[in-house]
Amino acid sequence: DVKVTQSSRYLVKRTGEKVFLECVQDMDHENMFWYRQDPGLGLRLIYFSYDVKMKEKGDIPEGYSVSREKKERFSLILESASTNQTSMYLCASSFRQGIETGELFFGEGSRLTVL
Amino acid sequence: GESVGLHLPTLSVQEGDNSIINCAYSNSASDYFIWYKQESGKGPQFIIDIRSNMDKRQGQRVTVLLNKTVKHLSLQIAATQPGDSAVYFCAENRRGSTLGRLYFGRGTQLTVWP
Repeated sequence: DVKVTQSSRYLVKRTGEKVFLECVQDMDHENMFWYRQDPGLGLRLIYFSYDVKMKEKGDIPEGYSVSREKKERFSLILESASTNQTSMYLCASSFRQGIETGELFFGEGSRLTVL
Repeated sequence: GESVGLHLPTLSVQEGDNSIINCAYSNSASDYFIWYKQESGKGPQFIIDIRSNMDKRQGQRVTVLLNKTVKHLSLQIAATQPGDSAVYFCAENRRGSTLGRLYFGRGTQLTVWP
């Protein structure tokens, strides 16, 4: 069974803290993605990576950075968390040819609250 | 700006009825569309997809219709069940965009009443 695992389901952080959200997939997928989900706004792409050490900005990269040192792991970093980054964060992965079938596999999400 | 959007944010149906969830898109370069289902507390799951060279595609109890003339996409669920209650997202792949890049709509909350 395919699996995308996000390290934390719920986090509470304070303004200014550095936050790491980890995502691991066991499907040997080339592509990995970080989305942010807010009510009424759908899923907005923050960053994605199509290979180890490669990254591309999505629609809302400001305030975020990412790291992909290994194929199976994609980390989202908030260098200095702010209250407007309170949100649900979703990680997804796909094969490089996966877009041909739309098969993005999502994790369960990490709900971050910044106080 | 160009976007993938939904006509209705919420939809309530009686169990056993058919459901129709709509999606409008404005990017004429979109060539591939996907519907995802997101149950409460879970990540989105792929339901069905359709390419721009097709008008209709059927799955198990679900049908996706694509009208390229008016840039409209719909998801039909037959004999809706309580387990179909979820948020449904349409997403599009735009021709020429970076490989793997999907654009999601805002979602429709489907509630099924017994």
